[in-house]
Amino acid sequence: GAGVSQSPSNKVTEKGKDVELRCDPISGHTALYWYRQSLGQGLEFLIYFQGNSAPDKSGLPSDRFSAERTGGSVSTLTIQRTQQEDSAVYLCASSLTVDGTPLHFGNGTRLTVT
Amino acid sequence: AQSVTQLGSHVSVSEGALVLLRCNYSSSVPPYLFWYVQYPNQGLQLLLKYTSAATLVKGINGFEAEFKKSETSFHLTKPSAHMSDAAEYFCAVSGVSIQGAQKLVFGQGTRLTINP
Repeated sequence: GAGVSQSPSNKVTEKGKDVELRCDPISGHTALYWYRQSLGQGLEFLIYFQGNSAPDKSGLPSDRFSAERTGGSVSTLTIQRTQQEDSAVYLCASSLTVDGTPLHFGNGTRLTVT
Repeated sequence: AQSVTQLGSHVSVSEGALVLLRCNYSSSVPPYLFWYVQYPNQGLQLLLKYTSAATLVKGINGFEAEFKKSETSFHLTKPSAHMSDAAEYFCAVSGVSIQGAQKLVFGQGTRLTINP
């Protein structure tokens, strides 16, 4: 597609369940990012993938969070044993290069943990 | 490490009035600076960016921002506000992770309201 695609757009899950969020970056973009946007908390960096390099996982808030990127394209963010504080909008972004290149964002997945 | 401070979580202006959204940054290296806009239920869209060329940067929708190194600021302005400008605005600075990758650090955002 023309832009970054995220699915689902909305997800409601029960506390303790696992969830998977998907991101399809713009074709050819080598860099892929996940951010979390909580109400009143701004944008929080979670994880970054660049080509075949090891991902930068420094932003993942706990070991319940993990992400993978298969074939240098699609990425999946997995949250295990969800907690209510995980409720947020999860944004994916991609870019073509690294230095000074802006990110292209998807519309996000709104996760609600009940 | 890089950081960004946006002064004012909410700004309200009248239609036709000047828009000024403040952003101050901290960076140990020459920064790349960005302003993004987020409309309801959408992702972030790039308004403009500074990448060490001209200090006055013009973006989409009539917005512009001026990089002032001495003040470590990158304030966003628009001479005349339109109702369609109502949105959340984020300032961001690029950083470098331990693996040398670009990582954008965002401010907390400023919600702009336009009064008719």
